[in-house]
Amino acid sequence: GDSVTQMEGPVTLSEEAFLTINCTYTATGYPSLFWYVQYPGEGLQLLLKATKADDKGSNKGFEATYRKETTSFHLEKGSVQVSDSAVYFCALLDQTGANNLFFGTGTRLTVIP
Amino acid sequence: GAGVSQTPSNKVTEKGKYVELRCDPISGHTALYWYRQSLGQGPEFLIYFQGTGAADDSGLPNDRFFAVRPEGSVSTLKIQRTERGDSAVYLCASSRNRGKNSPLHFGNGTRLTVT
Repeated sequence: GDSVTQMEGPVTLSEEAFLTINCTYTATGYPSLFWYVQYPGEGLQLLLKATKADDKGSNKGFEATYRKETTSFHLEKGSVQVSDSAVYFCALLDQTGANNLFFGTGTRLTVIP
Repeated sequence: GAGVSQTPSNKVTEKGKYVELRCDPISGHTALYWYRQSLGQGPEFLIYFQGTGAADDSGLPNDRFFAVRPEGSVSTLKIQRTERGDSAVYLCASSRNRGKNSPLHFGNGTRLTVT
């Protein structure tokens, strides 16, 4: 079945450091891929998405590229800020489009000044 | 505008009791989803409504769990004979339509604690 494997945390970085959070997936067909973010005390928010191979999703300085050959969708940011501290979830939407999102376990990021 | 609203934000109940969790989706969103997030885990799909009908309830763990959406808007997740293992954050999400181009909007969740 469909699944997402996400880099375990927690991750602690200094401000302005480079961030990578790894995500790989298993799916039949060609899923859509997402990164969601959960800030402290808030609900899950869509951060970015990519719906086909080689697409790059980007938002708020974060990027992720849909790599079919490596079944990956790693999240990157060149210079993190304290306000980026949150839990990040990689997610997959199966090709049927039923909106049954499959989530990874989440990676907690803490950015220290 | 108003987002997805879930009430209560916290619920503590004793083992064996019945609980109801409410979700108010974004106005005009036809699709509604319930997810469960256990500690240290990602959200897991429970059930999906398109309009008033449950289009997919394959994620409900057992027959103690039931959800309704009688008028195609507000939804209630019902849990009978609660068990300590039911303790989790229950998330509701809605989307305008179904499919990859209609993103899910999540509520803040209801944290259920079964003692």
